[in-house]
Amino acid sequence: RKEVEQDPGPFNVPEGATVAFNCTYSNSASQSFFWYRQDCRKEPKLLMSVYSSGNEDGRFTAQLNRASQYISLLIRDSKLSDSATYLCVANSGGGADGLTFGKGTHLIIQP
Amino acid sequence: DAGITQSPRYKITETGRQVTLMCHQTWSHSYMFWYRQDLGHGLRLIYYSAAADITDKGEVPDGYVVSRSKTENFPLTLESATRSQTSVYFCASASGARYEQYFGPGTRLTVT
Repeated sequence: RKEVEQDPGPFNVPEGATVAFNCTYSNSASQSFFWYRQDCRKEPKLLMSVYSSGNEDGRFTAQLNRASQYISLLIRDSKLSDSATYLCVANSGGGADGLTFGKGTHLIIQP
Repeated sequence: DAGITQSPRYKITETGRQVTLMCHQTWSHSYMFWYRQDLGHGLRLIYYSAAADITDKGEVPDGYVVSRSKTENFPLTLESATRSQTSVYFCASASGARYEQYFGPGTRLTVT
């Protein structure tokens, strides 16, 4: 069974701090990876795509370790508005059913 | 740019009734997906479609029916609603199976 595993948290982090999440994936054939952000009672929204070893977008950095089959997300200088659930996602490695979603890590930024 | 829309946004129905959730996308994405999201389970794939007239079962298809006569629409029907189908339903679309998916705003369904 293809799985993506995440620590559900919550991670309670003071504003301005740096926070990192990891997730592991079981399907070694997965080729593309994503981080989504989901606010309470809202739809998941794409935060970052990771097709090679990593990606950086402003305060957010995602890294991929294929040998150990994990993906990380680093958030620097965290803002109150970063409070959300972060979903780690891996593609199904060639299957037509698309992506496998982790259950998410809940992040709370405290003032 | 409407993107991907879902209707209705909220629905209350009774056990045994048939209900259809609508999904419409304006990007001409070939792939469309239906998920349900419940506490403790995360997003679970119900059905997906790789193109018009091509649909396939996901992880939790029982009790649901889909169709895709047009690329832009992907309705999900609960043939005889049960209380266990109370959930938030998200539709998503993508340009390919391994590419990022874009989600609609969701339909919050309550079955009484």
